[in-house]
Amino acid sequence: QSALTQPRSVSGSPGQSVTISCTGTSSDVGGYNYVSWYQQHPGKAPKLMIYDVSERPSGVPDRFSGSKSGNTASLTISGLQAEDEADYYCCSYAASYTYVVFGGGTKLTVL
Amino acid sequence: QLQLQESGPGLVKPSETLSLTCTVSGGSISSSSFYWGWIRQPPGKGLEWIGTIYYSGSTYYNPSLKSRATISVDTSKNQFSLKLTSVTAADTAVYYCARDSSGYGQFDYWGQGTLVTVSS
Repeated sequence: QSALTQPRSVSGSPGQSVTISCTGTSSDVGGYNYVSWYQQHPGKAPKLMIYDVSERPSGVPDRFSGSKSGNTASLTISGLQAEDEADYYCCSYAASYTYVVFGGGTKLTVL
Repeated sequence: QLQLQESGPGLVKPSETLSLTCTVSGGSISSSSFYWGWIRQPPGKGLEWIGTIYYSGSTYYNPSLKSRATISVDTSKNQFSLKLTSVTAADTAVYYCARDSSGYGQFDYWGQGTLVTVSS
């Protein structure tokens, strides 16, 4: 069982927006602003899309945005495109004992 | 452009030790700004953090691995390595090495990954 809880799947039509949630505890997501999000296409390595809760690395489209409220972080993808169809994982710093925890992953389907 | 490349045996027998090396090119592993990590992904499943090392040798591990994992660094070769002892079929996975840009589990550069199968 993953430390961070994500929905197994989400879907949306091209041009729409979708939001993927990532729920943890006050010991990880809620306690630190070190939440990151990764996009993974089949057979490929994960790609960093968001870090520090809401920061985008260079080259990531501004259609991707991140936020956090309490123990839940969210990734929002606006203006969905076919190439956004992938698995998405959240990750959080968890300090002391656990240090780094991933979510179980969410499969995004673009209808 | 920073690149990471995993190398090591693709097949390991049960109860033996899995050994992988990550070679970093296009940047120095000794940079004080970065940490280096191992992450794995069993077939059809999600990502699992294994551990992280700083160039000085400081290490942090996933407690679920119960001390089976050891990560080391060789700054002279610009490499860091993973050893996982007493492997079972449950350790079959694609193993990725990655750079942690912050030391807080935010991995900005990844290797392509290498599949390690545990089987007799």
